Amino acid sequence: AQKVTQAQTEISVVEKEDVTLDCVYETRDTTYYLFWYKQPPSGELVFLIRRNSFDEQNEISGRYSWNFQKSTSSFNFTITASQVVDSAVYFCALRGGGATNKLIFGTGTLLAVQP
Amino acid sequence: NAGVTQTPKFRILKIGQSMTLQCAQDMNHNYMYWYRQDPGMGLKLIYYSVGAGITDKGEVPNGYNVSRSTTEDFPLRLELAAPSQTSVYFCASSYDRGQGTEAFFGQGTRLTVV
Repeated sequence: AQKVTQAQTEISVVEKEDVTLDCVYETRDTTYYLFWYKQPPSGELVFLIRRNSFDEQNEISGRYSWNFQKSTSSFNFTITASQVVDSAVYFCALRGGGATNKLIFGTGTLLAVQP
Repeated sequence: NAGVTQTPKFRILKIGQSMTLQCAQDMNHNYMYWYRQDPGMGLKLIYYSVGAGITDKGEVPNGYNVSRSTTEDFPLRLELAAPSQTSVYFCASSYDRGQGTEAFFGQGTRLTVV
């Protein structure tokens, strides 16, 4: 069975602080895909990053970075020097690459960045 | 390029009424999904499809039906609407593999059942 766990329901930080959002996943597939999405207060879902199971390289994009560790089944997301505009709900998601091709989301982490 | 288009954006239904939420994508994606998002909650998968003529249940399929007669369209049918179906519904599409596996989402349909 597939499962995505985002244990942090809400996080509140002050602007310019660094913050890490945790994501732990479960799957029996050897090929799978992991994603992070942002949902700002306006409600749309914005794709941030994709990783497949064969690519464990960490990635940095501006103030955003992602740490993918297959050994611990984790795909964590760090925002450096947070800004008020980063305030949103962040979702981690998993899709299997074989017969299990459902795209399953975690419950999300609400990030509030205070000025 | 319109991406994923959902209609309507808002709808109020009375208990027991039926309706169809429309979803169309113009990216030639083979995978399509329907999710519901209750207030303050995450996205729950209702149904999904890996290609025309193929559909499968997700996590919360009860009370809904889908069909996929073309690659582009994936309508979601609500029969006998109930207050528990009050939610925001999102449709999404993606490729099955390669660099395009991320799902693209529509703007959502806010449904209220009274």
